[in-house]
Amino acid sequence: NAGVMQNPRHLVRRRGQEARLRCSPMKGHSHVYWYRQLPEEGLKFMVYLQKENIIDESGMPKERFSAEFPKEGPSILRIQQVVRGDSAAYFCASSPYRGPVVAGYTFGSGTRLTVV
Amino acid sequence: DAKTTQPTSMDCAEGRAANLPCNHSTISGNEYVYWYRQIHSQGPQYIIHGLKNNETNEMASLIITEDRKSSTLILPHATLRDTAVYYCIVDPKETSGSRLTFGEGTQLTVNP
Repeated sequence: NAGVMQNPRHLVRRRGQEARLRCSPMKGHSHVYWYRQLPEEGLKFMVYLQKENIIDESGMPKERFSAEFPKEGPSILRIQQVVRGDSAAYFCASSPYRGPVVAGYTFGSGTRLTVV
Repeated sequence: DAKTTQPTSMDCAEGRAANLPCNHSTISGNEYVYWYRQIHSQGPQYIIHGLKNNETNEMASLIITEDRKSSTLILPHATLRDTAVYYCIVDPKETSGSRLTFGEGTQLTVNP
């Protein structure tokens, strides 16, 4: 009965490299949400996905960022050509429903990305 | 476009009740009030939610005023492990975007 699993917990990338962050939702959850938390700032919504579909990506930066949630396997948040400003904690949440109506989202422990 | 207003910080003595206020004067009829908390360096944790009536679970109680313009989260016997940032969020019952909009929250510090 594992919760939302994110890996890696910590990721260090040099400027210009690619970062891949993985999120495995709770069993039975088909809705995934990605949030970013910059240092000393609040959580900001990035993207909401269902299996094989992006439902709402209004919080995603226009360039270099992409997300997917394939039929099989975890959801992936991909950041190409990372820059120092991408350094942040990235959290994934899942729910069995479209919205947080019943009992709220379940969040993972996050991936801390550091760009050097 | 903040929908909620919370104090920046609060202190509470260990073992005492912690009462965290939240103003949401523009709340719509179909919007729920949700509370989450984030302990340092961890992912946010759902606490409780409600629409009109007061709610209680194993973690906390939620008191919503009759006009629904404000609410209070009550941790009945705060412990040191309750030190965290507490977020009050309003969100529609039937979601239009499925996102949660986190504000600045209240930093609750529980002191020994």
